[in-house]
Amino acid sequence: EVLLVESGGGLVQPGGSLRLSCAASGFTLNSFDVNWVRQAPGKGLEWVSYMSSGGMGIYYAGSVMGRFTISRDHTKNSLFLQMNSLTAEDTAIYYCAREGDDDSDAFDIWGQGTLVTVSS
Amino acid sequence: QSVLTQPPSASGTPGQRVTISCSGSSSNIGTNYVYWYQKLPGTAPKLLIYTNNQGPSGVPGRISGSKSGTSASLAISGLRSEDEADYYCAAWDDSLSGYVFGTGTTVTVL
Repeated sequence: EVLLVESGGGLVQPGGSLRLSCAASGFTLNSFDVNWVRQAPGKGLEWVSYMSSGGMGIYYAGSVMGRFTISRDHTKNSLFLQMNSLTAEDTAIYYCAREGDDDSDAFDIWGQGTLVTVSS
Repeated sequence: QSVLTQPPSASGTPGQRVTISCSGSSSNIGTNYVYWYQKLPGTAPKLLIYTNNQGPSGVPGRISGSKSGTSASLAISGLRSEDEADYYCAAWDDSLSGYVFGTGTTVTVL
């Protein structure tokens, strides 16, 4: 079965850091473009970051630029999101999503999400 | 704030047709593909439409998408209770160098 499973969420104080993980099973994550998307409580979906299959193409939303870093480890078949200088506005459920292998760029597989709460 | 604008809500009775609009600009919808996602509370988003008007396998044919200029639409025909959800359009934005999601539309089956 093709799956993405996020982990690493939790409660963190403002100004703190957290590293999210997204483990893939049933396929080789390194062969796909991947993204992080978040949803704050009561709000809509917000794209956070993108990494190409080769790792050379990386993009960030303006709201996280300079604070978040996307990376992947092909030996662990996993994607990561290092989040620094967190604020209350970063409180959200974070989803990793794979783009399909048909050049459509559609987010065809999503993880179940991991909750990040930034609060003192 | 989102650069893709959707109506906050839409509704219909079972069997009716509901359409959701998504308004963007030349840097996103005007030049790139549009995608539609369904979001139910407590679950991950689900891909409904890709490349403007294609439905993945498993998505019923009564759900369709279209695009014209800098706007796109999602249509749900034969409305069913299980269609009650939030719906989001999305597209790559060349000016922002990133994906943008719509503001989201909550569909209610009366």
